[in-house]
Parts: sequence; C-alpha cells; structure tokens
Amino acid sequence: DVKVTQSSRYLVKRTGEKVFLECVQDMDHENMFWYRQDPGLGLRLIYFSYDVKMKEKGDIPEGYSVSREKKERFSLILESASTNQTSMYLCATLENGYTFGSGTRLTVV
Amino acid sequence: DAKTTQPPSMDCAEGRAANLPCNHSTISGNEYVYWYRQIHSQGPQYIIHGLKNNETNEMASLIITEDRKSSTLILPHATLRDTAVYYCIVQKTGRRALTFGSGTRLQVQP
Repeated sequence: DVKVTQSSRYLVKRTGEKVFLECVQDMDHENMFWYRQDPGLGLRLIYFSYDVKMKEKGDIPEGYSVSREKKERFSLILESASTNQTSMYLCATLENGYTFGSGTRLTVV
Repeated sequence: DAKTTQPPSMDCAEGRAANLPCNHSTISGNEYVYWYRQIHSQGPQYIIHGLKNNETNEMASLIITEDRKSSTLILPHATLRDTAVYYCIVQKTGRRALTFGSGTRLQVQP
C-alpha cells in the first residue's frame, strides 16, 4: 500500500515563525497535493505539484509556498505564520485515487 | 467539476447495510464519481470510484443510475469503525485536484 507520511501530527508555532510541513510518499507518484481542512469549510487546496520542481497554485495559496526538490517529498512552507493559518493540513498523492496522509494539526499562537 | 449534494447525516444499525446517496445532476460524460471517507482526526481514505457501471471492491459497492445523475455507496455490513464522514466527489478525467463538499456524517449505532 502507498504510504503518505507527514512529519508531525501536532505542531504549535508562534506568530511570525517560518514553518515547514513535510510530506513524504513511498511510491513513485507524480502528483502531490497540500490541503487544509477547517470546520464548516471542508478541504481547500493550497498547492499541488505534478513533477519535481513543478508547482501550481490551488484555491488558497496566499501565505504559503511549496518545494518539490525530490519526487518523494513535497514541503509546505508558511513564510510567516499567522493565527488564521491554524488548521489541519493534509498532504495527498494521486494514482488511481487519492491517498492522504494522517494530517498535521498546526496551531499558531 | 459538477456539484454534488449529500444528506448532512445518517444513522445505521451495526451489521445492517448503509446506503449513502449522492446527487450529481449536472455531471458530464467524462466525469467520474469518487467516494472517500474521513474518520475523525485522520486524513480522507479512498473507497471506490466509477464512471457508469456499478463497481464493487472489498470495502463497498457503488451503484450509479443509468442517467448518471445520482449514485449510492453501499457498505454491506456496517461496523462501528465505519462511523465517519463520507464524501461524494465528481471529477473530470485528467483534473488533478479534488473539490470536497461537506459530506454525509454516518453514525453506526451498536
């Protein structure tokens, strides 16, 4: 089975900090995605990547950037964390259906 | 991508079949129907998908109406571990990103 591993399950950061959320997959999937999930708003797409060094903006890219230097790793970067970025962050890959990681619950204080 | 409509919540008795409906009346010919579920505090999990034929796998069955305007996900023998939010998504082929709606919260009762 494909595994999508997110480095942290829970994270607490201070406002203004630079935050890295890491996602690693153990299959050779080209497409990787970052979503955030908030109560009442469902899952919203932040960024996705369909190849190494390639990235595309999703629906809510503001305040975020991404990095895909290797096929298996897709990083989400919060350049200067703010309290409105407190959320559950989900990484996913795509190959005949999506496989999601377990999520990182980020709290910005 | 076509919009989907699902009931916000449903209950089901343990051991009985759970039938989760989804309306997608604006679906177009090249759009697939996908089902995912999300158990509390975990990432969504792929269940099944189909284009126009009924599909079955080890987790569930997917019944798509002949006009493709609606579908039903069937969990044949629901267990307490099937309590989750179930999402029905319609997606064009080749489109890479999913749009999740609010889903149906299924509560399996002992």
